[in-house]
Amino acid sequence: GENVEQHPSTLSVQEGDSAVIKCTYSDSASNYFPWYKQELGKGPQLIIDIRSNVGEKKDQRIAVTLNKTAKHFSLHITETQPEDSAVYFCAARFQAGTALIFGKGTTLSVSS
Amino acid sequence: NAGVTQTPKFQVLKTGQSMTLQCAQDMNHNSMYWYRQDPGMGLRLIYYSASEGTTDKGEVPNGYNVSRLNKREFSLRLESAAPSQTSVYFCASSDLNYGYTFGSGTRLTVV
Repeated sequence: GENVEQHPSTLSVQEGDSAVIKCTYSDSASNYFPWYKQELGKGPQLIIDIRSNVGEKKDQRIAVTLNKTAKHFSLHITETQPEDSAVYFCAARFQAGTALIFGKGTTLSVSS
Repeated sequence: NAGVTQTPKFQVLKTGQSMTLQCAQDMNHNSMYWYRQDPGMGLRLIYYSASEGTTDKGEVPNGYNVSRLNKREFSLRLESAAPSQTSVYFCASSDLNYGYTFGSGTRLTVV
């Protein structure tokens, strides 16, 4: 069935370093790939998304890249700050009109 | 603008009890979803409603039922709670083929 794999499960970086989280998906027909940030005790919040007709998208310190041939997409956070510490989830929509399938999450810790 | 509102925020049930988790959105979204979040398992889809009047099973529907009451409201019912249903439950809404807005979650413990 449809699947999204996310790596690593935990990531620790120093403040100011970059962080990269990678996801792979199983269905080449997938067309929408969002990323969510979840802070402790809260619901996930959409931080950036990309569609299958775009290779890269940036929003200030965060960027997402998509490689359709390899069926993987990545989240890049530059100049990390302590407030970036959270759980990050990738997701994919495999068919129009269906629900998102989520990866298992990455716990990012940024130490100052 | 409240977004997605879930009630209750916390609940403790005894095995075999029933309860309904409520979810309402004020963004005029067509689609609504219920997920459960367990440690190390990510977010798993229980049921979703692509539009008012339709519901579909997700990855883990057993032990649950849903009702899309109207465009705003989508409830999740546990008919006979089991300890395996101890989890954090999230409701979300979206326009079709766009990203979700999540509620703040319901933390359910079944003892």
